[in-house]
Amino acid sequence: GAGVSQSPSNKVTEKGKDVELRCDPISGHTALYWYRQSLGQGLEFLIYFQGNSAPDKSGLPSDRFSAERTGGSVSTLTIQRTQQEDSAVYLCAIGGRGTEAFFGQGTRLTVV
Amino acid sequence: AQKVTQAQTEISVVEKEDVTLDCVYETRDTTYYLFWYKQPPSGELVFLIRRNSFDEQNEISGRYSWNFQKSTSSFNFTITASQVVDSAVYFCALSDAFNNDMRFGAGTRLTVKP
Repeated sequence: GAGVSQSPSNKVTEKGKDVELRCDPISGHTALYWYRQSLGQGLEFLIYFQGNSAPDKSGLPSDRFSAERTGGSVSTLTIQRTQQEDSAVYLCAIGGRGTEAFFGQGTRLTVV
Repeated sequence: AQKVTQAQTEISVVEKEDVTLDCVYETRDTTYYLFWYKQPPSGELVFLIRRNSFDEQNEISGRYSWNFQKSTSSFNFTITASQVVDSAVYFCALSDAFNNDMRFGAGTRLTVKP
């Protein structure tokens, strides 16, 4: 979507390497979400930010996953020691209280 | 805790048929919001509709209509006279007013055959 830019659009990495995925939203949206979508599957909730804080980290699959947000804007999702099961499309979305979420185009991560 | 259930994994219809996609939700909050999104083969998620918990009025937009019933915790989506371009995965989502946490159902893959 026009309101959310994700980079890179595609990432191929070797198993065991760390990767960092970036979400750069337009300003003015307090809530930011990360989701994961495996091939042919639904959206798996990972984490969301209200401002710079993350009230709910329960969706992170393991301690290899972490995320941060700075300045109420840019967010990065980091996956350490990537595994093949981490291969998926990672989607970032922005929204406000009770409003619809606007999604980025996603980062397609392939772990080989 | 929030939960959204879309029991229909896949639906296949022939063009011009009507089709209803089911969505059942769970929440402890009295104020919440429900959404439907469409994900066409291109992959981008497209927002279709938002409903707040205090507005049970059904809504119609062209061939699309939504039936919100709090008594059964359901927010079903009907496409009338389906078209091939309606083929996509449709997601129902729930957000509560306090945490702003948005959770999605597993999605329903709709295939409309010519």
